[in-house]
Amino acid sequence: KQEVTQIPAALSVPEGENLVLNCSFTDSAIYNLQWFRQDPGKGLTSLLLIQSSQREQTSGRLNASLDKSSGRSTLYIAASQPGDSATYLCAVMRDSSYKLIFGSGTRLLVRP
Amino acid sequence: GAVVSQHPSRVICKSGTSVKIECRSLDFQATTMFWYRQFPKQSLMLMATSNEGSKATYEQGVEKDKFLINHASLTLSTLTVTSAHPEDSSFYICSASGLAAQGTQYFGPGTRLLVL
Repeated sequence: KQEVTQIPAALSVPEGENLVLNCSFTDSAIYNLQWFRQDPGKGLTSLLLIQSSQREQTSGRLNASLDKSSGRSTLYIAASQPGDSATYLCAVMRDSSYKLIFGSGTRLLVRP
Repeated sequence: GAVVSQHPSRVICKSGTSVKIECRSLDFQATTMFWYRQFPKQSLMLMATSNEGSKATYEQGVEKDKFLINHASLTLSTLTVTSAHPEDSSFYICSASGLAAQGTQYFGPGTRLLVL
């Protein structure tokens, strides 16, 4: 059974810092991995999607890497801003059924 | 990106009543829709998968008679919480995926259900 874990559960940093969020999964046979952002009481916004054949994806200040063999992914946020404050969720898609298995998330607070 | 809407965004009801939540894909045909439940400070848990025109597939531990799912068209799926109880209070989120989505799910904004 696939399990997804995110560390840390919460993170508070001053504005401007570069930071790394971690995601690990137990079964390396994945279809893809996605990072999402969730603001309080809101739905999910997809940030980056990494196909199983890819090693990383970049969008603006965000960079996500994927190491299937070790069951890990990291989300790197450069030059953090208060507007980055949210919960970040990673999710793995196990096969072409499109089912996503989510981690418990990292709650990020970027202090001005 | 594709847009998925949910209605209502928030609902408060008395214990024992039924509540219907709608999920619509506004600008694409959603062959598959998913329903998730999220308790406070917890992650999303998949409840069921619905394919247009077919019966929904429920995850283990989810009561299909309590959470009725209908996916009658390529743009609409509904979740009905029957005889709701306080423990059903949660944040319900739908997502939709189509043939052109290439593995991407587009998420709705969620519905906050509070059962008194």
